[in-house]
Amino acid sequence: EVQLLESGGALVQPGGSLRLSCVGSGFTFSSNALSWVRQAPGKGLEWVSYIVGSGSYTDYADSVKGRFTISRDNSKNTLYLQLNSLRAEDTALYYCAKYQYNTFYSYMHVWGKGTTVTVSS
Amino acid sequence: EIVLTQSPGTLSLSPGERATFSCRTSQSVRSNYLAWYQQKPGQAPRLLIYGASSRATGIPDRFSGSGSGTDFTLTISRLEPEDIAVYYCQQYGTSPKTFGQGTKVEIK
Repeated sequence: EVQLLESGGALVQPGGSLRLSCVGSGFTFSSNALSWVRQAPGKGLEWVSYIVGSGSYTDYADSVKGRFTISRDNSKNTLYLQLNSLRAEDTALYYCAKYQYNTFYSYMHVWGKGTTVTVSS
Repeated sequence: EIVLTQSPGTLSLSPGERATFSCRTSQSVRSNYLAWYQQKPGQAPRLLIYGASSRATGIPDRFSGSGSGTDFTLTISRLEPEDIAVYYCQQYGTSPKTFGQGTKVEIK
């Protein structure tokens, strides 16, 4: 069974940093593109970032560009999201999602359960 | 950025009725790279439709998608109580891969 398990969410002060992790199982991790998608409390879904299977190409939403960094360690079947210069508006449930194909033009067909980031003083 | 506008905001229907969700985009979606997701309360989103009209694995055939260009529709032919959820459209043909704001389904 294909599974994604996020971790690393926490309460952090504005301006602080955090690293989220997502461990994948049940599939060939290095052959699949992945994304982070977030959902602020009571709000809709916001696509945050994308990384291709090899890690050679990444993409970001304008709202996080320059502050967040997506990366992956295929030897550990783990996806990361480094969050820096955090703001109150980054408070959200962060989902890890797997694409059906290892290409930008693909859709997210498996989602994790999410990890919660709260930015507050 | 392609903006996706979903309507209505809330749909209140009885079991067995037909539900129709609209998703309009500010620019044409490349190759109809549009997906629909269902999110039940307290759960992660679930893929329903990709490529505007292809059902994902395991999705009941009462769910169908249609449309092209800038105008897309998700239809539930006969609403079931377990279909209570928020439904989102997303385009994945252009960066950033934007979502619509969602349509909430309530059962009368």
